[in-house]
Amino acid sequence: EPEVTQTPSHQVTQMGQEVILRCVPISNHLYFYWYRQILGQKVEFLVSFYNNEISEKSEIFDDQFSVERPDGSNFTLKIRSTKLEDSAMYFCASRDLTTGGPEAFFGQGTRLTVV
Amino acid sequence: DAKTTQPPSMDCAEGRAANLPCNHSTISGNEYVYWYRQIHSQGPQYIIHGLKNNETNEMASLIITEDRKSSTLILPHATLRDTAVYYCIVSLTGANNLFFGTGTRLTVIP
Repeated sequence: EPEVTQTPSHQVTQMGQEVILRCVPISNHLYFYWYRQILGQKVEFLVSFYNNEISEKSEIFDDQFSVERPDGSNFTLKIRSTKLEDSAMYFCASRDLTTGGPEAFFGQGTRLTVV
Repeated sequence: DAKTTQPPSMDCAEGRAANLPCNHSTISGNEYVYWYRQIHSQGPQYIIHGLKNNETNEMASLIITEDRKSSTLILPHATLRDTAVYYCIVSLTGANNLFFGTGTRLTVIP
């Protein structure tokens, strides 16, 4: 069964450093998403991406965040200058919405720890 | 923002049916009801969705009331591996994003 893959599974970074979280969505999907989940809290929407541009973003997704689809397979989330409060699980998701169903498929997440 | 209300926690005996309720009284006519679950800290997993008719798949059944203001997810024979947080989400189909609430923490007891 096709799946969304995320790397790395765990990343530790120093405050103020830039991090890039990587995702490989399911190959024929066209809609991509990033979510985050701070420990013990709910899953929060960050950004959605379609046709090489952001289609919607939340208040959390400020100027420190950016997304990119650098090639035909990867979808990345960059945090320019990490803060302690950026520590969370980050989930990538993709959806087909054309020939397939509307369900979103989530990766297993990257645990980001900012120290 | 989440437009659903779910009980924070429920227990279910292993092998019995787990019935998870969800209220979505402000649902609009073209919004679907989606159910996802999150086992421990894994990525959310799609379970089922529906508009107005009851739906069944290999994982669960979804019962939507006639006025569509509430629904129930049924896991017919709960196993220990079904212990998870279950999220009920209303959303337009299409590219609209999924907004997660706090969900129901289901604990399946041996």
